[in-house]
This record gives sequence, structure tokens and C-alpha cells, in this order.
Amino acid sequence: KAGVTQTPRYLIKTRGQQVTLSCSPISGHRSVSWYQQTPGQGLQFLFEYFSETQRNKGNFPGRFSGRQFSNSRSEMNVSTLELGDSALYLCASRWSGTGELFFGEGSRLTVL
Amino acid sequence: TQLLEQSPQFLSIQEGENLTVYCNSSSVFSSLQWYRQEPGEGPVLLVTVVTGGEVKKLKRLTFQFGDARKDSSLHITAAQPGDTGLYLCARTNDYKLSFGAGTTVTVRA
Repeated sequence: KAGVTQTPRYLIKTRGQQVTLSCSPISGHRSVSWYQQTPGQGLQFLFEYFSETQRNKGNFPGRFSGRQFSNSRSEMNVSTLELGDSALYLCASRWSGTGELFFGEGSRLTVL
Repeated sequence: TQLLEQSPQFLSIQEGENLTVYCNSSSVFSSLQWYRQEPGEGPVLLVTVVTGGEVKKLKRLTFQFGDARKDSSLHITAAQPGDTGLYLCARTNDYKLSFGAGTTVTVRA
């Protein structure tokens, strides 16, 4: 069974640009969550999608957005990038709203 | 703001030694999870504890949940280099996880 796949694994952007990250959940999983991991703040919840609907949202500015497609694949977008957005962005999936979360390997974003 | 406090922040030990990491909160957990994250990878769930006073064992790892459900500990017996990683505790709240800052464990061969 394939795990959670995130693309791209690494990317470098400059301030003011925007970025789109992709996440393919484990087959059959309908819930996808996104987390930001930084050395200073640790792992912070961004948002969670279930059946194409955003069900929960963390305390991040509106520059951070996401969506989920009918095949459960999800994307997150960060607009007007700031230096502080440099982080590892982790996607996690699970079959429903509860149960074990399975994380991908993450997309490491560097903003210059 | 971290709702979960983990200690110590860093731990470096020799292979074969024992170690304990702690996770504390001022509020009650409905349930608590422990994860391990290795460099370049996402966190992997080790265990979920739900009942106050619960003890769970996973090979050389022992997890305890405090009676008041405000604290938890992870004890590793005879640590091995493969135990190296970032250990994270997390509480579940409204379909999201709130993580502690983590304990970075290094086991030297």
C-alpha cells in the first residue's frame, strides 16, 4: 500500500512569490491535514480537508490556503511568501476524521 | 503557544543506556499520542494512550499516561542507535493534533 506522497520534496522561492504544494493521500483515505514544521514553532496545524470540504483551520494568515479534489488529493498554496514561511510542510491522511494519521515525508520550502 | 511541554529538549546517550522523556500539560488530555520523526521523514505514530494510569509497551519502549491525564512519559530501555530521532507528543482536539516541541534523542554507538 503506497504511503502519503508529497511533491515537490524541496523547493526554493523568493519573497513575494507564491508556491503550491501537492499531497496524494493513502488510497481510500478521505481526510487530509496539513502541518507546518519549523525549528522555532515546532509542528503547527494548518488545515484539514474531508470530502473536499475544509473542516478545520489553524491560526495562520489568509495567505495560506488549500483545497481537496474529488480523488482526495490535496494542494496547499502560500501566496506572497515571506522569509518566515521557510519550513517543512507535512501532509497527513487518515480514513476518516478519527484514527491514525499517516504523514508524508514533507515538502521543504526555503524562502530567500 | 505550546500547550504541551516536553522535556528535556535534547538528550544524548550511549548505546545500552536507558532514557525517559516527558510530556506535560496544565489541562486534561482526552487522549495522547507519541510520534517519532527521523531526519528527512514525517512523524510516525508509536502509541495512543487514553485511560488515566495506562501503561503500554512496544518492545523496548514503555509509555505511561498519568492518573490525572495531564502528563505522560516515554521510557526506552537499552537504547540503540536506531532509536535516534525526534520524539513528539500530541493531543487530539477537534480532528487536529497539537504537538509538543519535541525531544531530540541521539543514541551514540
